[in-house]
Amino acid sequence: EPEVTQTPSHQVTQMGQEVILRCVPISNHLYFYWYRQILGQKVEFLVSFYNNEISEKSEIFDDQFSVERPDGSNFTLKIRSTKLEDSAMYFCASSEDINYGYTFGSGTRLTVV
Amino acid sequence: KNEVEQSPQNLTAQEGEFITINCSYSVGISALHWLQQHPGGGIVSLFMLSSGKKKHGRLIATINIQEKHSSLHITASHPRDSAVYICAVGGLSNQFYFGTGTSLTVIP
Repeated sequence: EPEVTQTPSHQVTQMGQEVILRCVPISNHLYFYWYRQILGQKVEFLVSFYNNEISEKSEIFDDQFSVERPDGSNFTLKIRSTKLEDSAMYFCASSEDINYGYTFGSGTRLTVV
Repeated sequence: KNEVEQSPQNLTAQEGEFITINCSYSVGISALHWLQQHPGGGIVSLFMLSSGKKKHGRLIATINIQEKHSSLHITASHPRDSAVYICAVGGLSNQFYFGTGTSLTVIP
């Protein structure tokens, strides 16, 4: 069964450093999403991406965040200057169509120290 | 404010019991999703609904658009069903709202 692949599974970074979280969506999917889950809290929507541009973003997705689909297969989330409160599990998801179900990746646990 | 409310927050059941988890939402939606999050953190999409009812194995999901309510049922529950079940709604503006989850423990 096709999978959404996320790398790395766990990343530790120092406060203020830039991190790039990588996702490889399912190949025929057109809609891409990033979510995060701070430990013990509910999952939160960050951003949706379609046709090489952001289609929707939440209040959390401020100027320190950016997304890119650099090569037609990867979908990346960049955090420019990480803060302690960015520590969370970050999930990527993709969908073939906005009316179809989503497939989630297994997540990247980001720890900012 | 919570756009999506789930109940109960925690649920413990004996193996074999019929389980119901409820979800109410307050926003206009394009679709409602039921997700399963395992103790290791991975998320699996169980159902996406915009109307009616869907069944997959021992899992049944229903939605009542007029009442803005959905239920997830598990028949003949098993310890491997132990997980957090999350209701999430896709809003009309392609936003996505998540419930806080229902933690289910099925005891052998």
